[in-house]
Amino acid sequence: EPEVTQTPSHQVTQMGQEVILRCVPISNHLYFYWYRQILGQKVEFLVSFYNNEISEKSEIFDDQFSVERPDGSNFTLKIRSTKLEDSAMYFCASSEMDTQYFGPGTRLTVL
Amino acid sequence: AQKITQTQPGMFVQEKEAVTLDCTYDTSDQSYGLFWYKQPSSGEMIFLIYQGSYDEQNATEGRYSLNFQKARKSTNLVISASQLGDSAMYFCAMREGRGNKLVFGAGTILRVKS
Repeated sequence: EPEVTQTPSHQVTQMGQEVILRCVPISNHLYFYWYRQILGQKVEFLVSFYNNEISEKSEIFDDQFSVERPDGSNFTLKIRSTKLEDSAMYFCASSEMDTQYFGPGTRLTVL
Repeated sequence: AQKITQTQPGMFVQEKEAVTLDCTYDTSDQSYGLFWYKQPSSGEMIFLIYQGSYDEQNATEGRYSLNFQKARKSTNLVISASQLGDSAMYFCAMREGRGNKLVFGAGTILRVKS
């Protein structure tokens, strides 16, 4: 069964460093998303992406964040200058229509 | 204001019994979607079941079913014949906005006892 994949599973970085989180959505899906979940808290929407452009972003998704679909398969989230409060699980999701399927997540730890 | 409210922080159920997890939502949209996801201790988010706002029948998917009451804005998840592997966090979510974002509730931790 097709699934969303994410790499790496765990990323440790120093505050102020740039990180790129990678996702491979399900191949026939057209809509892509990033969410994050701070430990013990609810899942929060970051950004949605369709037709090679951002369709919606949350207040969390400020100038330090960017997304890109560099080729036909990958979907990336870049955090330019990480802060301690960026430590969280980051989920990529994709959908064909209604249902969003989530990847296994990347746990980002900022030291 | 909370858009998705899950009032049960934690629930216990005996193995093989049924359990209902509550969820209420708030929206002024006519068209919206409601979802339930399971998050086991390993952390992944597993899609369980979906209900569209225009669906007249309650959604069912194996042992999962929804008690969708549109007028009351509630979409409770019913898990029948609970299994030990059902122990997890369960999130209710609503799709809204032009970007189809999901808005999640705070979750309910379910523990199945043997």
